[in-house]
Amino acid sequence: NAGVMQNPRHLVRRRGQEARLRCSPMKGHSHVYWYRQLPEEGLKFMVYLQKENIIDESGMPKERFSAEFPKEGPSILRIQQVVRGDSAAYFCASSPGTPPETQYFGPGTRLLVL
Amino acid sequence: KNEVEQSPQNLTAQEGEFITINCSYSVGISALHWLQQHPGGGIVSLFMLSSGKKKHGRLIATINIQEKHSSLHITASHPRDSAVYICAVDRGSTLGRLYFGRGTQLTVWP
Repeated sequence: NAGVMQNPRHLVRRRGQEARLRCSPMKGHSHVYWYRQLPEEGLKFMVYLQKENIIDESGMPKERFSAEFPKEGPSILRIQQVVRGDSAAYFCASSPGTPPETQYFGPGTRLLVL
Repeated sequence: KNEVEQSPQNLTAQEGEFITINCSYSVGISALHWLQQHPGGGIVSLFMLSSGKKKHGRLIATINIQEKHSSLHITASHPRDSAVYICAVDRGSTLGRLYFGRGTQLTVWP
């Protein structure tokens, strides 16, 4: 049973470009969480999704950031018009059911904005 | 003030020593998680607990709900235990959103 998969593992973008981060949850998991870890800081919640639904996006910046988890395919975290402050590690986690549940983390995507 | 506070921030130990990492929180919770972040950045869930004590191999996690405190213990520490250990809480009312401590950097020397 494959774990949570994220791609790409490393992503370099220039200011103003778009970044798309993908997360495939573990098989059988329908709950996905995105977290961000800024350099030298702790993890921060961004968004919680179930299939085709955004359950809690209270941690998402109000502009430029969006997330989806379609019926088919991976969850996508999209950052438009990236700025240097978006440089961070973005982790996806999945769980099989309603919280509280153990969350299984992906390896993360390291985004560097030049 | 962060909802979750960990101590110490950094911890150095000699191989074989008994390690304790502490986590205090200031909010009501439905569960508390201990995570391990490897030097390469990957994150592994070690424990989720809402009461009492759990043990897995050389790792033991305890929680005292009344005192809003949890501890992670490592017995017979080994250099491969060197990592950042992160405490996180699920407040229940916030639908699975985790609130994280800043982490404890553990280094175990041979």
